[in-house]
Amino acid sequence: GENVEQHPSTLSVQEGDSAVIKCTYSDSASNYFPWYKQELGKGPQLIIDIRSNVGEKKDQRIAVTLNKTAKHFSLHITETQPEDSAVYFCAASSTGANNLFFGTGTRLTVIP
Amino acid sequence: NAGVMQNPRHLVRRRGQEARLRCSPMKGHSHVYWYRQLPEEGLKFMVYLQKENIIDESGMPKERFSAEFPKEGPSILRIQQVVRGDSAAYFCASSKGQGNTGELFFGEGSRLTVL
Repeated sequence: GENVEQHPSTLSVQEGDSAVIKCTYSDSASNYFPWYKQELGKGPQLIIDIRSNVGEKKDQRIAVTLNKTAKHFSLHITETQPEDSAVYFCAASSTGANNLFFGTGTRLTVIP
Repeated sequence: NAGVMQNPRHLVRRRGQEARLRCSPMKGHSHVYWYRQLPEEGLKFMVYLQKENIIDESGMPKERFSAEFPKEGPSILRIQQVVRGDSAAYFCASSKGQGNTGELFFGEGSRLTVL
């Protein structure tokens, strides 16, 4: 089955700096890569996703890049704000799959 | 449009008791997924259901765990004879389409503590 690895497990940045979280996956059939943000005591919320027919996708301060050859994808958050502090999860899935395979999460702390 | 509703939010059980967790998907969604999250870990898939059908239960332990999504009413994840290792957050998600063809919307989770 699919195996998703995520790094780093914790990340602290100063407000206004950029944050980058990286994930690798093992199954070359995976073609859908969402990112979820989970705040304390809440459920995961989708913040951005990318499919394998594109290499990059951007939504305001958030961007995701995908390298299918190397089987890795990354989340980039620019101009970080304290409200960006949360746990971020990457995930991978393939067409016809019944579930998402999640990484182990990155706890991002933005220091005011 | 209400999101995915889960209850109870917190549940405490003693070893050997039963736990029932309920999930009402978003309006218009007919696909329900249950995930388990252990402390400081990612979410692990348990089971995928459509109305009255279990489509994929490959992530669910064979013993003590069961799930259903009846024609009427919420989806229910049932854990019999709970043990301490069952303590976790259980998240339900729903989607319009199957798997990655549609965005998964998660509920706030049910946090089970087994004493």
